Amino acid sequence: GAGVSQSPRYKVAKRGQDVALRCDPISGHVSLFWYQQALGQGPEFLTYFQNEAQLDKSGLPSDRFFAERPEGSVSTLKIQRTQQEDSAVYLCASSTAHQPQHFGDGTRLSIL
Amino acid sequence: GQNIDQPTEMTATEGAIVQINCTYQTSGFNGLFWYQQHAGEAPTFLSYNVLDGLEEKGRFSSFLSRSKGYSYLLLKELQMKDSASYLCAVSLYGGSQGNLIFGKGTKLSVKP
Repeated sequence: GAGVSQSPRYKVAKRGQDVALRCDPISGHVSLFWYQQALGQGPEFLTYFQNEAQLDKSGLPSDRFFAERPEGSVSTLKIQRTQQEDSAVYLCASSTAHQPQHFGDGTRLSIL
Repeated sequence: GQNIDQPTEMTATEGAIVQINCTYQTSGFNGLFWYQQHAGEAPTFLSYNVLDGLEEKGRFSSFLSRSKGYSYLLLKELQMKDSASYLCAVSLYGGSQGNLIFGKGTKLSVKP
């Protein structure tokens, strides 16, 4: 069956450009999470959706980061005016009630 | 703040047993997860403990002591493919629905 799908797998952008990262969760999964993983570190929580409602965005590092899930399925993480410290792997995970989170392979973002 | 500690690296021999420890100090607790992550790939779920004691699943077992803020992951009959990072994560609230707080991961190298 289909897992969590993220695109693109790799993204290179120049400092100052805007980027958009896409996440297709497992069909029927109500909960969707975004994490940021720096090299050699564990994932760090960014934001959480339940259906289309963004219930927690406490992990977003600045107002340059914005996430949406307008129809309660696909989600997009947007980063405006990218900076070098934004370089990381961005992981998306989805889950349903009482089940562990399933992760996608992530988008590796490199800011030059 | 939230704090989850695990060793940075471990080395073990094929066929042997290895124990990866994790200690946590968090503002809440609704379960502890172990994930396996191969380089460049998605974290994959291994185990979940919410009550004290040992959970066994094939070659993998996980133990939890809530009073001590301590867990370990036990891997038996090590195989070369077990070389990966092992992530300890705590759910602060909502069980599997809550966002996860991850440790930095333990990189395990299995040698012939």
